Amino acid sequence: NAGVTQTPKFRVLKTGQSMTLLCAQDMNHEYMYWYRQDPGMGLRLIHYSVGEGTTAKGEVPDGYNVSRLKKQNFLLGLESAAPSQTSVYFCASSYPPSREGWNYDTQYFGPGTRLTVL
Amino acid sequence: RKEVEQDPGPFNVPEGATVAFNCTYSNSASQSFFWYRQDCRKEPKLLMSVYSSGNEDGRFTAQLNRASQYISLLIRDSKLSDSATYLCVVNGRGSTLGRLYFGRGTQLTVWP
Repeated sequence: NAGVTQTPKFRVLKTGQSMTLLCAQDMNHEYMYWYRQDPGMGLRLIHYSVGEGTTAKGEVPDGYNVSRLKKQNFLLGLESAAPSQTSVYFCASSYPPSREGWNYDTQYFGPGTRLTVL
Repeated sequence: RKEVEQDPGPFNVPEGATVAFNCTYSNSASQSFFWYRQDCRKEPKLLMSVYSSGNEDGRFTAQLNRASQYISLLIRDSKLSDSATYLCVVNGRGSTLGRLYFGRGTQLTVWP
């Protein structure tokens, strides 16, 4: 199993350009997430999805859109990139939390995409 | 108040030392607790889950105190390879079910 993969690994954009980050998982996980990580800020949730065809806003959703057309894929779009979106983007996936068991909802992360917006 | 708070460190310890990290969480209904490890410029990876009775995995021991909403990680006999950032993680409940909340991480450097 490849686990969680992300493409591309690196990207440089100019202000105003658009791009899509792709996340794919082969673990049959229901839940998928997009985070950004900036120095001193920790991981911040951008958007997440609890199943195919559903998405929800996280902590910092502005400037981003997402789609989950297939269970295994979760796309993050930047319509008009800004320098403030320079960051490392991580995708993650998990099973849903279980009513009976603890720690069922462990998240597994992809290797990240390093994005620079000039 | 942040969902998860942890001491950012840095902790600088010699090889062989014992070091302990602590974190507190705000949602008393949380049911899942984890410690993740993140190496420089890499993705976070699960180090260990934390169970109510406490659990041990080799040199690592995790404890949970639900009454005080407090989680700890103890590393014994530190190795150079333990140098990393350790993230305390707690799940959301109710309206935030399905989300995990990450602390900002505690940086550990083990020196020879």
